[in-house]
Amino acid sequence: DAKTTQPPSMDCAEGRAANLPCNHSTISGNEYVYWYRQIHSQGPQYIIHGLKNNETNEMASLIITEDRKSSTLILPHATLRDTAVYYCIVAGANSKLTFGKGITLSVRP
Amino acid sequence: DTAVSQTPKYLVTQMGNDKSIKCEQNLGHDTMYWYKQDSKKFLKIMFSYNNKELIINETVPNRFSPKSPDKAHLNLHINSLELGDSAVYFCASSQRGQGEYEQYFGPGTRLTVT
Repeated sequence: DAKTTQPPSMDCAEGRAANLPCNHSTISGNEYVYWYRQIHSQGPQYIIHGLKNNETNEMASLIITEDRKSSTLILPHATLRDTAVYYCIVAGANSKLTFGKGITLSVRP
Repeated sequence: DTAVSQTPKYLVTQMGNDKSIKCEQNLGHDTMYWYKQDSKKFLKIMFSYNNKELIINETVPNRFSPKSPDKAHLNLHINSLELGDSAVYFCASSQRGQGEYEQYFGPGTRLTVT
């Protein structure tokens, strides 16, 4: 079973920031938070991951709360191509990824 | 160059047949996976191999047999195909590190059993 809870869907306007929330209140100290996305009919794509600190890469930023019970994925300037299902996953060292239902992000023009 | 490739992309076959799906990665990763995504879009891991050794084997019918001839390849053979095997099958790879890793997925193979 997935250890995370995400809203089923959200939308945002093109060019605006998309903030995707995730709750993982039962996360263990050695578990990472991963974000993947799946654009329609394609394979899932890794976005970012973090343990405690906030992380940023060329795709997104990951903000993890101090108690690590929740996180937010931020796409700073959403485009139509960011429309996808986004999966928040909690996983320990070298353990399997369990994909839940994810959140469907719709970016509107 | 494609990092993780799968063949074929589409596979339509009849019940009872035996079929194989091939996967290759050119990322130099030591771990490869097979996932199944059903019609409800749930993505579930089936198998994982690390350096050609099976390390994850979820509750999958033994009609499914993965084979890893080398660490760059992980093939999936399915015997006696059933209607319920219809799904999209994704291959993925990663490099097992000290705890954190990202998986790279292939484009998927859409299997339709009629």
